[in-house]
Amino acid sequence: ETGVTQTPRHLVMGMTNKKSLKCEQHLGHNAMYWYKQSAKKPLELMFVYNFKEQTENNSVPSRFSPECPNSSHLFLHLHTLQPEDSALYLCASSQDGFEAGAGNTIYFGEGSWLTVV
Amino acid sequence: KNQVEQSPQSLIILEGKNCTLQCNYTVSPFSNLRWYKQDTGRGPVSLTIMTFSENTKSNGRYTATLDADTKQSSLHITASQLSDSASYICVVSGVMEYGNKLVFGAGTILRVKS
Repeated sequence: ETGVTQTPRHLVMGMTNKKSLKCEQHLGHNAMYWYKQSAKKPLELMFVYNFKEQTENNSVPSRFSPECPNSSHLFLHLHTLQPEDSALYLCASSQDGFEAGAGNTIYFGEGSWLTVV
Repeated sequence: KNQVEQSPQSLIILEGKNCTLQCNYTVSPFSNLRWYKQDTGRGPVSLTIMTFSENTKSNGRYTATLDADTKQSSLHITASQLSDSASYICVVSGVMEYGNKLVFGAGTILRVKS
């Protein structure tokens, strides 16, 4: 069982719907991340939160809206998405928000499969 | 451009055999390199992290090597098992304009069959 839990695991939504993805980490970490993984493409970093503060927004369209109420919870609010937004959305956490640091292992959740119809 | 290229894209081997996955990168300056295993429908799990001063690191039947001069890494899997079937992702940390960033490869899909 992973220390990072994501819900729902699968979500189908229409382009006019509003939905949210939820992530919770039980590892006592201070940083949380959202990644997008499209078929046969590398993972793309979307957002980074460190101690609840957003430290990185990787030019993500505003139809994706993150929320981090505390260091253990992270949400991704979705509205007016496009079919090309269909992908696996991975939440992750690490001890600190220095994503690329050698001593900073990133722990991923199981992901939320999103299909936009 | 900072890139990570993995080969082969996919690989099928018989259970019990060894295999080697390759990762070439152009990320520079280089900080560290990671290998992740991602089972189908699940999130990636870290296998190894190596800094530029390390040239080999093992995790059970997985052994990663790094040649920072030629910017190449490999992941060797010994005595493969059916549970090794997964995507293996190479991730390189480099010093970018705005700090260290991770650059992800697209992964190698390994299928181990009996």
